[in-house]
Amino acid sequence: AQSVSQHNHHVILSEAASLELGCNYSYGGTVNLFWYVQYPGQHLQLLLKYFSGDPLVKGIKGFEAEFIKSKFSFNLRKPSVQWSDTAEYFCAALNSGNTPLVFGKGTRLSVIA
Amino acid sequence: GAVVSQHPSRVICKSGTSVKIECRSLDFQATTMFWYRQFPKQSLMLMATSNEGSKATYEQGVEKDKFLINHASLTLSTLTVTSAHPEDSSFYICSAKDSNGYTFGSGTRLTVV
Repeated sequence: AQSVSQHNHHVILSEAASLELGCNYSYGGTVNLFWYVQYPGQHLQLLLKYFSGDPLVKGIKGFEAEFIKSKFSFNLRKPSVQWSDTAEYFCAALNSGNTPLVFGKGTRLSVIA
Repeated sequence: GAVVSQHPSRVICKSGTSVKIECRSLDFQATTMFWYRQFPKQSLMLMATSNEGSKATYEQGVEKDKFLINHASLTLSTLTVTSAHPEDSSFYICSAKDSNGYTFGSGTRLTVV
């Protein structure tokens, strides 16, 4: 079955530290990949997405992700995190058409001063 | 950008009663909407795919008679939790596909007492 794996359940970083959250998917063929963020008490928001083209995708708030097809990965990165980045981060994927997104289990990021 | 409006945001109901959750696409038409359920500290689990003008497609293990889905127009899908029980307490989120990918509603926190 198609699946998305996020291996880090909870990550704690100090402000200004660099961030990398792992995401692996099990799809074959063409895949679209997404990272969503859910701030405390708020709904899901799209950070960035990859459909095709440049495998290094830049999103909002300084986030970026790199699609590495050979590794089936789409890791999320940010050079320097801020306290306001504290949130839950979800990686998601789909094959095509009107199929629903399949989500990873999420990674909770806590940024401390 | 695309907006999906979900109401109510919070609802508390007595065990045995039914609760209706609405999901509207405000500035685009959505022939397909998706309903997810999110348990605490877990990922979003797809419950069903709502198709305008036809029956919803339910994921394995989701009771279609308990979670009634109606998608009567291109901008509105509703999820009715019938005869709710405390174990139905959860966070329910709808999603619709737009030109940029997927947009999510703000979610509904259901508490059954």
